[in-house]
Amino acid sequence: AQSVAQPEDQVNVAEGNPLTVKCTYSVSGNPYLFWYVQYPNRGLQFLLKYITGDNLVKGSYGFEAEFNKSQTSFHLKKPSALVSDSALYFCAVRDYDTGGFKTIFGAGTRLFVKA
Amino acid sequence: DTAVSQTPKYLVTQMGNDKSIKCEQNLGHDTMYWYKQDSKKFLKIMFSYNNKELIINETVPNRFSPKSPDKAHLNLHINSLELGDSAVYFCASSQAKETIFDEQYFGPGTRLTVT
Repeated sequence: AQSVAQPEDQVNVAEGNPLTVKCTYSVSGNPYLFWYVQYPNRGLQFLLKYITGDNLVKGSYGFEAEFNKSQTSFHLKKPSALVSDSALYFCAVRDYDTGGFKTIFGAGTRLFVKA
Repeated sequence: DTAVSQTPKYLVTQMGNDKSIKCEQNLGHDTMYWYKQDSKKFLKIMFSYNNKELIINETVPNRFSPKSPDKAHLNLHINSLELGDSAVYFCASSQAKETIFDEQYFGPGTRLTVT
């Protein structure tokens, strides 16, 4: 079965510093990986995805993610954090189930950016 | 111009009652989902529909019954509510059933509290 792990419950970073939110995955076939962000009392918003090709994927709000096949990782990064980036971040992998595709989410990592 | 909308936003009810949550998407997507997010923010898929047809049904009590009158709507009816049903329920949609790499668009969530 496919799975996603986010090893950190929380990441703290100062505004202006680079940030990394970690994600590792386990898949039986090709990985289809996603990052979503959830602001307080809101639904999830899509940030970026890796399907194939370039290992560095660029997404919304200045975020990017690096796919590393040998380390089975898909870490989310941003060169300079903003206080407004504080939110809950979910890594996800798409999996095929009987009848269709479903998304398996990690447990989430809460990012705090301090001014 | 809301993409995925849910009603109500908040729902407080007593054990044993029956309640419904409605979801509508105006994105023209073929596939819709229901997710449950528990108090620890863990997100788990419950159901997935494609063009009104149920395609994924996770291990969910049969007190939960989804209904899709057309591909733009997916409602969730819950019978005999229990304390453990308290959670935030998210509706989501994605473009097509056959495409593994489609991102999902989430509604704002319905916070259900069972007392």
